[in-house]
Amino acid sequence: AQSVSQHNHHVILSEAASLELGCNYSYGGTVNLFWYVQYPGQHLQLLLKYFSGDPLVKGIKGFEAEFIKSKFSFNLRKPSVQWSDTAEYFCAVLFEGFGNEKLTFGTGTRLTIIP
Amino acid sequence: DAGVTQSPTHLIKTRGQHVTLRCSPISGHKSVSWYQQVLGQGPQFIFQYYEKEERGRGNFPDRFSARQFPNYSSELNVNALLLGDSALYLCASSAANIQYFGAGTRLSVL
Repeated sequence: AQSVSQHNHHVILSEAASLELGCNYSYGGTVNLFWYVQYPGQHLQLLLKYFSGDPLVKGIKGFEAEFIKSKFSFNLRKPSVQWSDTAEYFCAVLFEGFGNEKLTFGTGTRLTIIP
Repeated sequence: DAGVTQSPTHLIKTRGQHVTLRCSPISGHKSVSWYQQVLGQGPQFIFQYYEKEERGRGNFPDRFSARQFPNYSSELNVNALLLGDSALYLCASSAANIQYFGAGTRLSVL
């Protein structure tokens, strides 16, 4: 069965530190890849997406992610985090070829930024 | 533009009862999906509807059902509620394979 793994459950960083959150999926076919963020008390918001083309994609608020097909990975990065980045981050994958838009989510990474 | 709206925001039910959750998609979106998010986990896919037809169903029992109306709004129904159905229920509408989520309905089953 198709699955998505996020290995970091809780990450604590100081402001200005660099961030990388891991995401791996299991599926050899075509995928659409997403990172969503859930700020405290708010709904899920799309950070960035990859469908095709340049494997390095840029999103909102200075975030970027790199799709490495050979590693089945789509890691999220930010060079310098801010206190306002404190949130829960979810990697999600749409596995193409099944006739629907089912998103499979990872378990999420809680990011805490210390001022 | 209004985003995806869900009602009610919170709901408390007792075991064995039935619940109906409602969702209005972003204007122009014809697809609606439902997800269940249990504390500490990522959202789990329940259903997708497109143009009133079911396009996908997740691994949930038959107690869960849904439908989509001509105006593309949707209802999620859960019968014979169990304690384990306590969760945040999310609705998403989509266009061009991008899903936009509502704030969710928090269901507590006592």
